[in-house]
Amino acid sequence: AAGVIQSPRHLIKEKRETATLKCYPIPRHDTVYWYQQGPGQDPQFLISFYEKMQSDKGSIPDRFSAQQFSDYHSELNMSSLELGDSALYFCASSSPVQGSQAFFGQGTRLTVV
Amino acid sequence: ELKVEQNPLFLSMQEGKNYTIYCNYSTTSDRLYWYRQDPGKSLESLFVLLSNGAVKQEGRLMASLDTKARLSTLHITAAVHDLSATYFCAADNAGGTSYGKLTFGQGTILTVHP
Repeated sequence: AAGVIQSPRHLIKEKRETATLKCYPIPRHDTVYWYQQGPGQDPQFLISFYEKMQSDKGSIPDRFSAQQFSDYHSELNMSSLELGDSALYFCASSSPVQGSQAFFGQGTRLTVV
Repeated sequence: ELKVEQNPLFLSMQEGKNYTIYCNYSTTSDRLYWYRQDPGKSLESLFVLLSNGAVKQEGRLMASLDTKARLSTLHITAAVHDLSATYFCAADNAGGTSYGKLTFGQGTILTVHP
């Protein structure tokens, strides 16, 4: 079965650079969630989109922005990168079926040097 | 604000022994999830618990939910080395038709020794 696809899987950036992470949800899933997991930490909810509109917002820094496109894929844009942004970034998607569980992608490991 | 707390945070077990990980959450939640994570890897869904008294089992792992006590447990039976990983519980923030905005516990790092 198709899963949530994230790209790239690994990314190395320098401080103050910009990074773009991509998420391709499971087909027919209309909701996308982004999480950040720092080293040794639990995943923290950043932001979610339902039908291309932002549906909820968590602890997402102002330097980050995200959007969901017409084909339901989502991109997380991160600017003015800081060392503390180094983390695993997970995307999850869920379907419009009542009570649907979200499924997580493999994650993108971002390292800021 | 929903808060989720796990204990213990570190668990060192001998193979063949039993143990339980506890997960408390602070406010009403529609669902309780258990995930397994290997180092640097994604979150593997183990169980989704939907209602009070729910019990699910898969192999050596069994999860239960008591919504009145706001407590979930993950019981490990006759541990084997392959179970070594970090285990997270998570609760959703309720509402809507889909459930993906989760609050996670701190995680329990499980190490199983011969």
